[in-house]
Amino acid sequence: GNSVTQMEGPVTLSEEAFLTINCTYTATGYPSLFWYVQYPGEGLQLLLKATKADDKGSNKGFEATYRKETTSFHLEKGSVQVSDSAVYFCALRNTGTASKLTFGTGTRLQVTL
Amino acid sequence: EAGVAQSPRYKIIEKRQSVAFWCNPISGHATLYWYQQILGQGPKLLIQFQNNGVVDDSQLPKDRFSAERLKGVDSTLKIQPAKLEDSAVYLCASSQGTGWTSYEQYFGPGTRLTVT
Repeated sequence: GNSVTQMEGPVTLSEEAFLTINCTYTATGYPSLFWYVQYPGEGLQLLLKATKADDKGSNKGFEATYRKETTSFHLEKGSVQVSDSAVYFCALRNTGTASKLTFGTGTRLQVTL
Repeated sequence: EAGVAQSPRYKIIEKRQSVAFWCNPISGHATLYWYQQILGQGPKLLIQFQNNGVVDDSQLPKDRFSAERLKGVDSTLKIQPAKLEDSAVYLCASSQGTGWTSYEQYFGPGTRLTVT
C-alpha cells in the first residue's frame, strides 16, 4: 500500500537559516506528491506539488523535487522566517477513481529570532 | 471565494455519547472528503463522496461512524457511541472532481473533538 515517511520534529531554526524536511514515500505506479502546511488554528493549505518525476514544485520560497530514483520529495527553503512556523505534511496521491491523499505524520517547524 | 466551512470548531463529550459534525464545501465542488487527524499523526481519510454517492469508505469504522451527503452539497459526519480513541480533529475537504485529473483538495479549519 501507499505510505509516506517524514523526519520527526520539532525542527527548531533561527531566522534566515536553511531548512530541509525529509520525505520519502512508498507507492505503486506514479503518484503525485504534495507538501501541505498547517498554521496554528488553521486548516491544511497546499504549499506545493509535483506530478511527475524530476518535477520541481515551488511556492513562497519553498521548493521540493520529485526524485523517483530515491522515492523522495524533500522540502527546502533557503532562508526561513518566523512566519514559517507551522506543521508541514508530505502527502501522495495515486491517480484513479478514488484519489485520496496519504499523509505523513507531519513535522513541526519552529523559527526563532 | 468562500472556503470550506465546518462546525462546530470544538466539541467535548463523554464516552458513549453521540456527536455530529457539519461541513459545507466550496460551491460547485463535486467531491467531499472527511479526514480524521489524531494528535501527532497525519490526516487519515474516513470517507469520500462524489456528489451524493460514496466513492471510498474503506477506513470508516462503520459500527459507530456514519456520514451522509444527501443533496450532494453539505455533509454530516456522526459518531455514535463515541470512544476515547475518537478524540481527534475531523477535517473536511472538497475538490472539483477526482479521477485522472489532479484536482486540488481544499481543507476546512476542522472540528476538534475531545472524548472524556
